[in-house]
Amino acid sequence: QSALTQPPSASGSPGQSVTISCTGTSSDVGGYKYVSWYQQHPGKAPKLMIYEVSKWPSGVPDRFSGSKSGNTASLTVSGLQAEDEADYYCSSYAGSNSVVFGGGTKVTVL
Amino acid sequence: EVQLVESGGGLVQPGRSLRLSCEASGFIFDDYAMHWVRQVPGKGLEWVSHISWNGGGIGYADSVKGRFTISRDNAKNSLSLQMNSLRVEDTALYYCAKGGRKCTGCAFDIWGQGTMVTVSS
Repeated sequence: QSALTQPPSASGSPGQSVTISCTGTSSDVGGYKYVSWYQQHPGKAPKLMIYEVSKWPSGVPDRFSGSKSGNTASLTVSGLQAEDEADYYCSSYAGSNSVVFGGGTKVTVL
Repeated sequence: EVQLVESGGGLVQPGRSLRLSCEASGFIFDDYAMHWVRQVPGKGLEWVSHISWNGGGIGYADSVKGRFTISRDNAKNSLSLQMNSLRVEDTALYYCAKGGRKCTGCAFDIWGQGTMVTVSS
């Protein structure tokens, strides 16, 4: 149950795009379609942004998009807005009733 | 409104026990897997435990295996986490999270506000 690897930080100017990677193994990210992304603002509970690699929950803007290639998943935020500044976490099902999170990426809107 | 409300956190000495609860409302509780996730203030999320919709599938993080026990009472729409032999490193905000409909690996679409557990002498 090793944590997925995310870059600690990412940044972009308003209107630009930022992409966050999430690297695991064939036992988690590469082995299942259950990769999710969560947004967390300071002092708030996490919010689901992407599920099953690339699907949007109701109410999440399509500026957020997800993809996966092999053992690495990615979240892209297009048209960055000030309210997108937050921590982002990936997670993956890892088999045997277990889940693993990434270490988190702090996104800064410059 | 779909809602999860955690309770039971507090200050406890190392080696002692604590039981967390999560009351669910606004959805058919016994259709969904449930999870506990914790977060040390200022740090990242750590998955703690999962229980399937009918309690038949249970999983734990290695860091809590053998010490924590997850359970659910579908008649009362409630989820519990019994935490024994607590360690200082168990200090965190504990979130209850709703998983997928009869789906073990599905995402957590609803989160509670968390209950803080502090383990200290």
